[in-house]
Amino acid sequence: EAQVTQNPRYLITVTGKKLTVTCSQNMNHEYMSWYRQDPGLGLRQIYYSMNVEATDKGDVPEGYKVSRKEKRNFPLILESPSPNQTSLYFCASRGMGGGNQETQYFGPGTRLLVL
Amino acid sequence: AQSVAQPEDQVNVAEGNPLTVKCTYSVSGNPYLFWYVQYPNRGLQFLLKYITGDNLVKGSYGFEAEFNKSQTSFHLKKPSALVSDSALYFCAVRDPDTGRRALTFGSGTRLQVQP
Repeated sequence: EAQVTQNPRYLITVTGKKLTVTCSQNMNHEYMSWYRQDPGLGLRQIYYSMNVEATDKGDVPEGYKVSRKEKRNFPLILESPSPNQTSLYFCASRGMGGGNQETQYFGPGTRLLVL
Repeated sequence: AQSVAQPEDQVNVAEGNPLTVKCTYSVSGNPYLFWYVQYPNRGLQFLLKYITGDNLVKGSYGFEAEFNKSQTSFHLKKPSALVSDSALYFCAVRDPDTGRRALTFGSGTRLQVQP
């Protein structure tokens, strides 16, 4: 089954304690991205990657890091989480070929609470 | 710059009645337009998209949307609403002519279908 998986689904942590949210896709997609969803703001892109070792900032990258060492994986790293990073996070992937490749597939989400 | 607006935070409709969820966009070129739905505690599911061609696009679960270039709109419609359609709906846009890879999402519209 084609899917994007994220782990963990729920996470409670404290300010300053480094954490990683994993993301993996099995569709051989080149493009992957991370979004955060906040009430009334929709989804905003944090970082994206167009292929292995090719990452770039989205609209709200401050406080986040990513890496793309393998095509299928795109972890999101919070080196020193703060309460304003409490949010619902989504990983997404799509192909790069245009047309039908334009459809992004989303993971189930990770709900993060930073105390 | 690309942007999208969903002017209604919530839409209420009775089961069996037609529904419309509004979306307007702003891009400098020809847009790629998308609708996604989010059920409680779930990720975003793709409903439909407009890339090119016929202005009336049909998607999943009986939904359709009409691309109107003169009004820069892409409203989501369904002839007969179901209680199970109650969810959060997001419109999204991408302007491929700018080279920007990310989707820009609207703030979301909550659809409530009453029995």
